[in-house]
Amino acid sequence: AQSVAQPEDQVNVAEGNPLTVKCTYSVSGNPYLFWYVQYPNRGLQFLLKYITGDNLVKGSYGFEAEFNKSQTSFHLKKPSALVSDSALYFCAVRDINDYKLSFGAGTTVTVRA
Amino acid sequence: DGGITQSPKYLFRKEGQNVTLSCEQNLNHDAMYWYRQDPGQGLRLIYYSQIVNDFQKGDIAEGYSVSREKKESFPLTVTSAQKNPTAFYLCASSLGFTSNQPQHFGDGTRLSIL
Repeated sequence: AQSVAQPEDQVNVAEGNPLTVKCTYSVSGNPYLFWYVQYPNRGLQFLLKYITGDNLVKGSYGFEAEFNKSQTSFHLKKPSALVSDSALYFCAVRDINDYKLSFGAGTTVTVRA
Repeated sequence: DGGITQSPKYLFRKEGQNVTLSCEQNLNHDAMYWYRQDPGQGLRLIYYSQIVNDFQKGDIAEGYSVSREKKESFPLTVTSAQKNPTAFYLCASSLGFTSNQPQHFGDGTRLSIL
């Protein structure tokens, strides 16, 4: 079985400060990992993915994530947060030998001006 | 622009009524999916389809039905057997069923009970 944990329901940061959203996962084999963002009453927008190779992945809107196999983590980061980054963020994992994508419960990010 | 179109954006269901949510994609993707989103629970898979004329139950298929008669279309029917249908429903597609490419999502349909 595979699963994703996002240990923080909410993250609050000041604009211009670094932003980190945490994600840990569990899969039987090797993982494909994804981050998505959701704005109110909208669908999920893809931010970035880890498939293989370099552990530091860069994505859209200045976001990046670091894959850590030993800690089974894939934390999302942004060096300088913007008010417009306020949204709901989802981490998702798929075993490379499976079809099913499993999502975390989501983390609400609030960036205050 | 390529994308996924879900309609309607808001839908209200009466007791005992079946309602159908539309999902159309022009991305030429083979695989399509339906998810249900409830607050604080992430996304749960209802049904998925690898190719035309084929679909499989996901984790919470009871009270739902789908069809896949065309590659572009994957409608979801919420039947009267679904006792708690109030939720945000999201349709997604991907290039291939086991592809490492991300799923693309529509903007959702919010279903409520009258």
